[in-house]
Amino acid sequence: DAMVIQNPRYQVTQFGKPVTLSCSQTLNHNVMYWYQQKSSQAPKLLFHYYDKDFNNEADTPDNFQSRRPNTSFCFLDIRSPGLGDAAMYLCATSRVKGRDDEQFFGPGTRLTVL
Amino acid sequence: AQSVTQLDSQVPVFEEAPVELRCNYSSSVSVYLFWYVQYPNQGLQLLLKYLSGSTLVKGINGFEAEFNKSQTSFHLRKPSVHISDTAEYFCAVSWSNYQLIWGAGTKLIIKP
Repeated sequence: DAMVIQNPRYQVTQFGKPVTLSCSQTLNHNVMYWYQQKSSQAPKLLFHYYDKDFNNEADTPDNFQSRRPNTSFCFLDIRSPGLGDAAMYLCATSRVKGRDDEQFFGPGTRLTVL
Repeated sequence: AQSVTQLDSQVPVFEEAPVELRCNYSSSVSVYLFWYVQYPNQGLQLLLKYLSGSTLVKGINGFEAEFNKSQTSFHLRKPSVHISDTAEYFCAVSWSNYQLIWGAGTKLIIKP
């Protein structure tokens, strides 16, 4: 089945220690998104790629970076995680960047910062 | 700024009873509307969407929603809930571009 895969499902890191979360997709979608979701809150869009074109949301901290080496993979790098970065990180894809296009989500990576 | 409001943070309901989860948005100008479901410790899955046409939209798992332009609402309904419907439900709206504006979510709690 075509899907969005996130690894690892659970990640524990130490305060200030860089961490990378990964996302892969077999849907061959052009757009990949990264969301941050804190407990009992709506997902918050951090950034997205449309093909190789990177788009950062205005309020995304500089501490968060992303890479998309090819169509299938996208990475979220947190350079110096703080306690406030503990959250569920969701990767999503869509076929194109259209208003009516469904976003397909991965299962998420729950990040714990000690 | 456009906004999406889900007034109920939690909705408890008995199994096999009907349920309505409410969603209101700030502007009726050219909107696309979505309901996503999030089961515990999982990602989000699309339940249904309204793009145009019939205002009553049917989705997966027996859910449906009605687009009401005059009331700027898109409430989600199910005539009879099951324990497996326990999840958090998010309403999302797309206005002028690709970006979804999300509601805060409603947790559906099924009581046996």
